[in-house]
Amino acid sequence: ETGVTQSPTHLIKTRGQQVTLRCSSQSGHNTVSWYQQALGQGPQFIFQYYREEENGRGNFPPRFSGLQFPNYSSELNVNALELDDSALYLCASSFPGQGVKNIQYFGAGTRLSVL
Amino acid sequence: LAKTTQPISMDSYEGQEVNITCSHNNIATNDYITWYQQFPSQGPRFIIQGYKTKVTNEVASLFIPADRKSSTLSLPRVSLSDTAVYYCLVGEPGGYNKLIFGAGTRLAVHP
Repeated sequence: ETGVTQSPTHLIKTRGQQVTLRCSSQSGHNTVSWYQQALGQGPQFIFQYYREEENGRGNFPPRFSGLQFPNYSSELNVNALELDDSALYLCASSFPGQGVKNIQYFGAGTRLSVL
Repeated sequence: LAKTTQPISMDSYEGQEVNITCSHNNIATNDYITWYQQFPSQGPRFIIQGYKTKVTNEVASLFIPADRKSSTLSLPRVSLSDTAVYYCLVGEPGGYNKLIFGAGTRLAVHP
Protein backbone atom coordinates (compact mmCIF):
# COMPACT_ATOMS: atom_id res chain seq x y z
CA GLU A 1 0.00 0.00 0.00
CA THR A 2 1.46 3.33 -1.09
CA GLY A 3 -1.18 5.60 0.45
CA VAL A 4 -2.10 6.96 -2.99
CA THR A 5 -5.77 6.39 -3.75
CA GLN A 6 -7.56 6.84 -7.05
CA SER A 7 -11.24 6.91 -7.95
CA PRO A 8 -13.13 5.48 -9.61
CA THR A 9 -11.38 2.14 -10.22
CA HIS A 10 -13.24 1.54 -13.47
CA LEU A 11 -15.12 3.81 -15.84
CA ILE A 12 -16.92 3.37 -19.14
CA LYS A 13 -17.59 6.36 -21.37
CA THR A 14 -18.59 6.94 -24.97
CA ARG A 15 -16.67 8.85 -27.58
CA GLY A 16 -17.02 12.62 -27.27
CA GLN A 17 -17.87 12.59 -23.57
CA GLN A 18 -15.82 14.18 -20.79
CA VAL A 19 -14.32 12.40 -17.77
CA THR A 20 -12.80 13.41 -14.43
CA LEU A 21 -10.46 11.13 -12.53
CA ARG A 22 -9.41 11.77 -8.95
CA CYS A 23 -6.31 11.14 -6.89
CA SER A 24 -5.42 11.56 -3.23
CA SER A 25 -1.70 11.74 -2.71
CA GLN A 26 0.29 10.08 0.05
CA SER A 27 0.31 12.09 3.27
CA GLY A 28 2.97 14.81 3.17
CA HIS A 29 3.52 14.58 -0.59
CA ASN A 30 3.05 17.89 -2.43
CA THR A 31 3.73 16.72 -5.99
CA VAL A 32 1.35 14.68 -8.13
CA SER A 33 2.07 13.21 -11.55
CA TRP A 34 -0.35 11.58 -13.96
CA TYR A 35 0.48 8.79 -16.41
CA GLN A 36 -1.44 6.99 -19.14
CA GLN A 37 -0.74 3.30 -19.66
CA ALA A 38 -2.11 1.58 -22.75
CA LEU A 39 -2.39 -2.19 -22.72
CA GLY A 40 1.01 -3.89 -22.99
CA GLN A 41 2.99 -0.65 -22.79
CA GLY A 42 4.83 1.27 -20.12
CA PRO A 43 3.24 4.32 -18.47
CA GLN A 44 3.49 7.57 -20.42
CA PHE A 45 3.86 10.89 -18.55
CA ILE A 46 0.90 13.26 -18.98
CA PHE A 47 1.71 16.11 -16.57
CA GLN A 48 2.82 16.97 -13.06
CA TYR A 49 1.46 19.37 -10.44
CA TYR A 50 3.48 20.95 -7.67
CA ARG A 51 1.78 23.19 -5.11
CA GLU A 52 -1.27 23.63 -7.34
CA GLU A 53 0.70 24.67 -10.44
CA GLU A 54 1.43 22.58 -13.54
CA ASN A 55 5.13 21.72 -13.37
CA GLY A 56 5.77 19.87 -16.60
CA ARG A 57 3.77 18.26 -19.37
CA GLY A 58 4.25 15.33 -21.68
CA ASN A 59 3.17 14.98 -25.29
CA PHE A 60 -0.57 15.07 -24.69
CA PRO A 61 -3.12 17.44 -26.30
CA PRO A 62 -4.79 20.31 -24.39
CA ARG A 63 -7.98 18.31 -23.94
CA PHE A 64 -6.04 16.59 -21.15
CA SER A 65 -6.06 19.02 -18.23
CA GLY A 66 -5.62 18.85 -14.51
CA LEU A 67 -5.96 20.50 -11.16
CA GLN A 68 -4.26 20.23 -7.82
CA PHE A 69 -6.03 21.35 -4.66
CA PRO A 70 -4.61 22.92 -1.47
CA ASN A 71 -4.65 19.50 0.22
CA TYR A 72 -2.49 18.25 -2.71
CA SER A 73 -5.17 15.96 -4.10
CA SER A 74 -5.55 16.15 -7.85
CA GLU A 75 -7.91 15.68 -10.78
CA LEU A 76 -7.30 14.67 -14.36
CA ASN A 77 -9.89 15.87 -16.86
CA VAL A 78 -10.18 14.59 -20.39
CA ASN A 79 -12.55 16.28 -22.85
CA ALA A 80 -13.88 15.00 -26.16
CA LEU A 81 -12.93 11.40 -25.41
CA GLU A 82 -11.50 9.33 -28.24
CA LEU A 83 -11.32 5.55 -28.54
CA ASP A 84 -7.52 5.70 -28.11
CA ASP A 85 -7.99 7.27 -24.67
CA SER A 86 -8.92 3.83 -23.37
CA ALA A 87 -6.15 3.02 -20.91
CA LEU A 88 -5.13 2.69 -17.27
CA TYR A 89 -4.61 6.16 -15.79
CA LEU A 90 -2.09 6.26 -12.97
CA CYS A 91 -1.47 8.90 -10.37
CA ALA A 92 1.84 9.12 -8.52
CA SER A 93 2.85 11.31 -5.62
CA SER A 94 6.26 12.40 -4.40
CA PHE A 95 7.95 14.90 -2.09
CA PRO A 96 10.91 16.57 -3.74
CA GLY A 97 13.76 17.61 -1.52
CA GLN A 98 13.22 15.12 1.26
CA GLY A 99 16.26 13.09 0.34
CA VAL A 100 14.32 10.82 -1.96
CA LYS A 101 15.82 10.44 -5.40
CA ASN A 102 13.11 10.65 -8.03
CA ILE A 103 10.97 8.02 -6.34
CA GLN A 104 7.28 8.28 -7.05
CA TYR A 105 4.54 6.31 -5.32
CA PHE A 106 1.74 5.09 -7.56
CA GLY A 107 -1.91 4.40 -6.97
CA ALA A 108 -3.67 1.36 -8.43
CA GLY A 109 -5.05 3.42 -11.29
CA THR A 110 -8.39 4.05 -13.00
CA ARG A 111 -9.26 1.80 -15.92
CA LEU A 112 -11.04 3.93 -18.54
CA SER A 113 -12.85 2.32 -21.44
CA VAL A 114 -14.11 4.53 -24.27
CA LEU A 115 -16.75 2.94 -26.50
CA LEU B 1 16.75 11.71 -20.37
CA ALA B 2 18.74 8.61 -21.09
CA LYS B 3 17.04 5.83 -23.00
CA THR B 4 17.10 2.34 -21.55
CA THR B 5 17.07 -1.04 -23.26
CA GLN B 6 16.06 -4.24 -21.49
CA PRO B 7 14.86 -7.69 -22.60
CA ILE B 8 11.21 -7.90 -23.52
CA SER B 9 10.58 -11.06 -21.55
CA MET B 10 12.24 -13.66 -19.34
CA ASP B 11 11.21 -17.00 -17.90
CA SER B 12 12.37 -18.56 -14.67
CA TYR B 13 11.39 -21.22 -12.13
CA GLU B 14 10.61 -20.94 -8.48
CA GLY B 15 13.68 -20.81 -6.28
CA GLN B 16 16.04 -19.60 -8.99
CA GLU B 17 17.94 -16.33 -9.04
CA VAL B 18 16.87 -13.96 -11.81
CA ASN B 19 19.10 -11.28 -13.27
CA ILE B 20 17.61 -8.61 -15.55
CA THR B 21 20.14 -6.40 -17.32
CA CYS B 22 19.37 -2.90 -18.51
CA SER B 23 21.49 -0.93 -20.96
CA HIS B 24 21.72 2.86 -20.64
CA ASN B 25 24.65 3.98 -22.76
CA ASN B 26 23.85 7.70 -22.55
CA ILE B 27 23.46 7.95 -18.79
CA ALA B 28 24.37 11.39 -17.46
CA THR B 29 26.63 12.14 -14.52
CA ASN B 30 23.74 13.16 -12.26
CA ASP B 31 21.44 10.28 -13.23
CA TYR B 32 20.37 7.59 -10.81
CA ILE B 33 19.16 4.14 -11.88
CA THR B 34 15.78 3.10 -10.53
CA TRP B 35 13.81 -0.11 -10.92
CA TYR B 36 10.06 -0.46 -10.59
CA GLN B 37 7.86 -3.57 -10.50
CA GLN B 38 4.31 -3.69 -11.83
CA PHE B 39 1.65 -6.35 -11.36
CA PRO B 40 -1.40 -6.49 -13.67
CA SER B 41 -3.97 -3.76 -12.99
CA GLN B 42 -1.75 -2.09 -10.40
CA GLY B 43 0.55 0.90 -10.44
CA PRO B 44 4.33 0.47 -10.61
CA ARG B 45 6.06 -0.09 -7.27
CA PHE B 46 9.55 1.15 -6.44
CA ILE B 47 12.00 -1.70 -5.89
CA ILE B 48 15.51 -0.31 -5.70
CA GLN B 49 17.70 2.59 -6.73
CA GLY B 50 21.43 3.11 -7.07
CA TYR B 51 24.15 5.32 -8.47
CA LYS B 52 27.20 3.07 -8.62
CA THR B 53 28.60 -0.27 -7.42
CA LYS B 54 26.10 -2.40 -5.53
CA VAL B 55 22.93 -1.70 -3.60
CA THR B 56 20.97 -4.32 -1.70
CA ASN B 57 17.67 -4.18 0.12
CA GLU B 58 15.22 -6.76 1.43
CA VAL B 59 13.76 -7.33 -2.03
CA ALA B 60 16.60 -7.18 -4.56
CA SER B 61 20.16 -6.24 -5.38
CA LEU B 62 21.31 -3.78 -8.00
CA PHE B 63 24.72 -4.11 -9.61
CA ILE B 64 26.18 -1.13 -11.48
CA PRO B 65 29.60 -1.37 -13.18
CA ALA B 66 32.11 1.45 -13.04
CA ASP B 67 31.16 2.88 -16.45
CA ARG B 68 27.46 2.92 -15.40
CA LYS B 69 26.36 2.12 -18.97
CA SER B 70 24.35 -0.84 -17.75
CA SER B 71 22.85 -2.20 -14.57
CA THR B 72 21.57 -5.57 -13.40
CA LEU B 73 18.61 -6.17 -11.15
CA SER B 74 19.03 -9.41 -9.22
CA LEU B 75 16.05 -11.15 -7.61
CA PRO B 76 17.16 -13.99 -5.30
CA ARG B 77 15.11 -17.17 -5.14
CA VAL B 78 12.05 -15.99 -7.05
CA SER B 79 8.55 -17.21 -6.30
CA LEU B 80 5.37 -17.24 -8.38
CA SER B 81 4.43 -13.87 -6.87
CA ASP B 82 7.45 -12.26 -8.54
CA THR B 83 5.74 -12.67 -11.92
CA ALA B 84 5.44 -9.06 -13.07
CA VAL B 85 6.81 -6.43 -15.43
CA TYR B 86 10.09 -4.83 -14.34
CA TYR B 87 11.05 -1.35 -15.53
CA CYS B 88 14.51 0.19 -15.54
CA LEU B 89 14.61 4.00 -15.48
CA VAL B 90 17.41 6.53 -15.38
CA GLY B 91 17.08 10.16 -14.39
CA GLU B 92 18.19 12.95 -12.13
CA PRO B 93 17.29 12.83 -8.48
CA GLY B 94 14.42 14.90 -7.24
CA GLY B 95 10.73 14.18 -7.27
CA TYR B 96 9.99 16.97 -9.75
CA ASN B 97 11.13 14.92 -12.67
CA LYS B 98 8.85 12.90 -14.89
CA LEU B 99 9.55 9.20 -15.11
CA ILE B 100 10.26 7.81 -18.58
CA PHE B 101 9.15 4.20 -18.80
CA GLY B 102 10.10 1.83 -21.59
CA ALA B 103 8.22 -1.36 -22.35
CA GLY B 104 9.83 -3.16 -19.42
CA THR B 105 10.74 -6.83 -18.98
CA ARG B 106 7.94 -9.32 -18.45
CA LEU B 107 9.16 -11.93 -16.00
CA ALA B 108 7.22 -15.16 -15.81
CA VAL B 109 8.04 -17.47 -12.90
CA HIS B 110 6.95 -21.07 -13.36
CA PRO B 111 6.35 -23.75 -10.72
